[in-house]
Amino acid sequence: TQLLEQSPQFLSIQEGENLTVYCNSSSVFSSLQWYRQEPGEGPVLLVTVVTGGEVKKLKRLTFQFGDARKDSSLHITAAQTGDTGLYLCAAKRVGSGNTGKLIFGQGTTLQVKP
Amino acid sequence: EPEVTQTPSHQVTQMGQEVILRCVPISNHLYFYWYRQILGQKVEFLVSFYNNEISEKSEIFDDQFSVERPDGSNFTLKIRSTKLEDSAMYFCASSDRGHGYTFGSGTRLTVV
Repeated sequence: TQLLEQSPQFLSIQEGENLTVYCNSSSVFSSLQWYRQEPGEGPVLLVTVVTGGEVKKLKRLTFQFGDARKDSSLHITAAQTGDTGLYLCAAKRVGSGNTGKLIFGQGTTLQVKP
Repeated sequence: EPEVTQTPSHQVTQMGQEVILRCVPISNHLYFYWYRQILGQKVEFLVSFYNNEISEKSEIFDDQFSVERPDGSNFTLKIRSTKLEDSAMYFCASSDRGHGYTFGSGTRLTVV
């Protein structure tokens, strides 16, 4: 069974602080995605990383795919209250193709206090 | 911004009844999926659908489940005889190349 483990599971910080969320596995993945999910809504795609070592930036969010494509991190700089939410990583195993399933992590709940 | 539309947003059904959850994927997408999320648990894969047939299904997707794309627009998930443990949020998703998915807002299914 391939698992994606996210850490921490819950993070509460003050506005303006920086934070990093991790997504780890012992398996190699062909691609990895980060989603944000609001209560009662579906996950919303933030980014897809495909190449080992790849770094992508989305405003104050920086995403990195590990060199071995087994792990990823999401770093938020100068967090704002609007960043509060559930962050999910999800990945596809190597060889699964376009129709293969996404394996989800359990999520990191971020609370940014004013 | 194109979106995936799911109806109904909430369905309550008696145990043993059949339910059909409906989805309208993004029009130029080719790959379609159903996922579910039991309250407090991870999002779980159910089934993927491409070229009018099931491509992959999980062990959750047993004979009680079926999917259809009846008219080239809608994508449905049917549960023939619902069980209490089928209570969950069901998410439809679509993709054009199988990497970044667009998820719908979900249908909350409550089996009583």
